[in-house]
Amino acid sequence: GAGVSQTPSNKVTEKGKYVELRCDPISGHTALYWYRQSLGQGPEFLIYFQGTGAADDSGLPNDRFFAVRPEGSVSTLKIQRTERGDSAVYLCASSKQGLHTEAFFGQGTRLTVV
Amino acid sequence: AQSVSQHNHHVILSEAASLELGCNYSYGGTVNLFWYVQYPGQHLQLLLKYFSGDPLVKGIKGFEAEFIKSKFSFNLRKPSVQWSDTAEYFCAVNAKETNDYKLSFGAGTTVTVRA
Repeated sequence: GAGVSQTPSNKVTEKGKYVELRCDPISGHTALYWYRQSLGQGPEFLIYFQGTGAADDSGLPNDRFFAVRPEGSVSTLKIQRTERGDSAVYLCASSKQGLHTEAFFGQGTRLTVV
Repeated sequence: AQSVSQHNHHVILSEAASLELGCNYSYGGTVNLFWYVQYPGQHLQLLLKYFSGDPLVKGIKGFEAEFIKSKFSFNLRKPSVQWSDTAEYFCAVNAKETNDYKLSFGAGTTVTVRA
């Protein structure tokens, strides 16, 4: 596909469960970002990958959150022991490397923790 | 770290009215500036961006924005809105000096255009 693809589009899970959210970036984009958007707020940065490595994970709220990008393409955001406060839309974006580039966003995964 | 403030939470206007959405940022260094739009049920899309040069930038669908460095502002404008401009609009910045270009977003402004 031409755009950033995120799966699933919706995920409902019980408090305390583990979830994985997947992002498939635009082909050839080396930079990949995860953001979280809560109701009534703008997206908030979570983590940035350049290739396979997490270059900046300063936005991850705590150690329950972890993300990987083992082959430099698809990325998975993993949340352990989910809490109701984790409910939000999780957005993935990708871009080419470089200063004057724009980020392209996926549709997001709406996570609801009940 | 950068922060972004959008002045209006919800704007309601009629078709053909003019639109201006305020955006101010807080950061001591040089920045790239963006406006993103999210139409109902769709993903975030880039409306326009400013990296350098002419501070008046033109984007898609008749939108423009002006970077006023002395005011740390990047307001979005459209002279005549259409019903299809109903959407949520986000201002965002990133710092030129960093190497990761992560975006800091404002809280967004919901624009409702009445036919």
